[in-house]
Amino acid sequence: GENVEQHPSTLSVQEGDSAVIKCTYSDSASNYFPWYKQELGKGPQLIIDIRSNVGEKKDQRIAVTLNKTAKHFSLHITETQPEDSAVYFCAASTPRNQGGKLIFGQGTELSVKP
Amino acid sequence: NAGVTQTPKFRILKIGQSMTLQCTQDMNHNYMYWYRQDPGMGLKLIYYSVGAGITDKGEVPNGYNVSRSTTEDFPLRLELAAPSQTSVYFCASRIQGATAGELFFGEGSRLTVL
Repeated sequence: GENVEQHPSTLSVQEGDSAVIKCTYSDSASNYFPWYKQELGKGPQLIIDIRSNVGEKKDQRIAVTLNKTAKHFSLHITETQPEDSAVYFCAASTPRNQGGKLIFGQGTELSVKP
Repeated sequence: NAGVTQTPKFRILKIGQSMTLQCTQDMNHNYMYWYRQDPGMGLKLIYYSVGAGITDKGEVPNGYNVSRSTTEDFPLRLELAAPSQTSVYFCASRIQGATAGELFFGEGSRLTVL
């Protein structure tokens, strides 16, 4: 089955710097890759997603890139702010006709220092 | 504006005890899920349901049971609690037709088994 590896497990940056979190997946049939932000004491919240027919997607300070050949995708946060501090999870999903379940990475704890 | 509501938020159990984690959503979502979150392990799917009367196993179903008698409610039952079930449990829901990642999560239930 699908396996998703996420790195790094912790990341500390200065306010205003960029942060990059990387994930690799094992199942080449996976075609959908969401990213979640989990604030302390809350459930994860979807922040951006990308499908396998797209190489990059941006939403303000957040972008996600996908390399299908290498089977890895990354989350990029520019101009980081203290409120970006949270745990971030990547996930991968196979098509619905092949199960369609989300497999999550291990999480990255991002700390943005003022 | 409740969304997904989980109760209790915290619970301590003794080994061998049983309990039910409650989850209810008021968004008329067909799909509901139970995940567990362990440190450094991401989220693992325990059980899911695509509608009232239908449930199916996820990645880690052993030691748990679920039922889905109504669209709104999806309780998770732990029988004979074990220390390995110490975790944070998240219930989530999504509407049929939404992408796999468009999940609405509850705030979690932290369970400790001693």
